[in-house]
Amino acid sequence: GDSVTQMEGPVTLSEEAFLTINCTYTATGYPSLFWYVQYPGEGLQLLLKATKADDKGSNKGFEATYRKETTSFHLEKGSVQVSDSAVYFCALGQSGNTPLVFGKGTRLSVIA
Amino acid sequence: DTAVSQTPKYLVTQMGNDKSIKCEQNLGHDTMYWYKQDSKKFLKIMFSYNNKELIINETVPNRFSPKSPDKAHLNLHINSLELGDSAVYFCASSRRAGAGDTQYFGPGTRLTVL
Repeated sequence: GDSVTQMEGPVTLSEEAFLTINCTYTATGYPSLFWYVQYPGEGLQLLLKATKADDKGSNKGFEATYRKETTSFHLEKGSVQVSDSAVYFCALGQSGNTPLVFGKGTRLSVIA
Repeated sequence: DTAVSQTPKYLVTQMGNDKSIKCEQNLGHDTMYWYKQDSKKFLKIMFSYNNKELIINETVPNRFSPKSPDKAHLNLHINSLELGDSAVYFCASSRRAGAGDTQYFGPGTRLTVL
């Protein structure tokens, strides 16, 4: 079945450092890909998404590009802030009545 | 206005009790979900309803019973609570069924079974 693998955390960075969180997937067909973020004590919220190959999703300085050739959707940000500290989930969605498939989450801590 | 709301936010109870968690969405979405998040943050789908009909029912003990009285509400009832049920439960909704749609999550209900 479909699956998502993302890098294990925790990831600790200094403020203004460059962030990459790797995400690769295994899927049939042409899924949509998502990054969700969970801030402490809150529910998940959509950070960005891409629905087809070569699409780039972007939001709040974060970017991820849907790479079908490498089955990847890595999350990047050029300069992280303390407020970016959260757990980040990569997810895959197919059409039809199938559930979102989530990665295990990567905890990011940004220190001043 | 809160898009997806859950009550209660915290629930502490004894083993063997029965409890319910309520969820409401005011987004006009057709589809609602329940997820369980364990202590390692791993997120697992439990159920999904589309227009009040059950469409996803993952391998969940039958002590868990969802109920959708209308499109805007999806409640979760749990019988005979066990220690392993301790987790954070999230409700979510999307405009339509199909995991390609963006899901909107509630704030979660932290259930602790003693």
